[in-house]
Amino acid sequence: GQQLNQSPQSMFIQEGEDVSMNCTSSSIFNTWLWYKQDPGEGPVLLIALYKAGELTSNGRLTAQFGITRKDSFLNISASIPSDVGIYFCAGQPLSFYSGGSNYKLTFGKGTLLTVNP
Amino acid sequence: DAGITQSPRYKITETGRQVTLMCHQTWSHSYMFWYRQDLGHGLRLIYYSAAADITDKGEVPDGYVVSRSKTENFPLTLESATRSQTSVYFCASEGPAGGSYEQYFGPGTRLTVT
Repeated sequence: GQQLNQSPQSMFIQEGEDVSMNCTSSSIFNTWLWYKQDPGEGPVLLIALYKAGELTSNGRLTAQFGITRKDSFLNISASIPSDVGIYFCAGQPLSFYSGGSNYKLTFGKGTLLTVNP
Repeated sequence: DAGITQSPRYKITETGRQVTLMCHQTWSHSYMFWYRQDLGHGLRLIYYSAAADITDKGEVPDGYVVSRSKTENFPLTLESATRSQTSVYFCASEGPAGGSYEQYFGPGTRLTVT
């Protein structure tokens, strides 16, 4: 099946630092999504990207859909302690695009972010 | 309360037993999904459903059975649980959001098979 390579696997940073993580694929993706998962909870969508080259911000978070459709990155600026969690990228392969649904998402393995106050 | 709920939140069962995980959503979303989350694998799709009485296999369907007799419910059954099915299971439903679609996840069920 489709595979996403997400890096880094984990990060330990100081409060106030910027963070960058990325996902790459050998296949073309139609949609890129970034989720955050807090301990004991389900993932929550942070940013959704639907067009190649698209750059979208959500507060201190910025994500981009790579121009080749095979990669995406997420940046977090001025990190705070509540940014701690696991961040997942997810993509919808072009072959599964239904014109409306994001079903058959493929998820990266996650980046565990720890922020030291 | 509106949203997506899962039950039980924690379950311990023995090898060979049948166990059913429940998922309920109040939005009347058409699409629903079951994922399992394991260390080193991220989230993997087990089954999904496009509507009541329409289900299809995901990436790792073996050992699981689903049904969808009502739009709001999407139970996942392990017919004969194995230790390899010890995992955290997430249900999700998909609905419109900002001109596109978003998957909303439940809180998860942590299943241990002894």
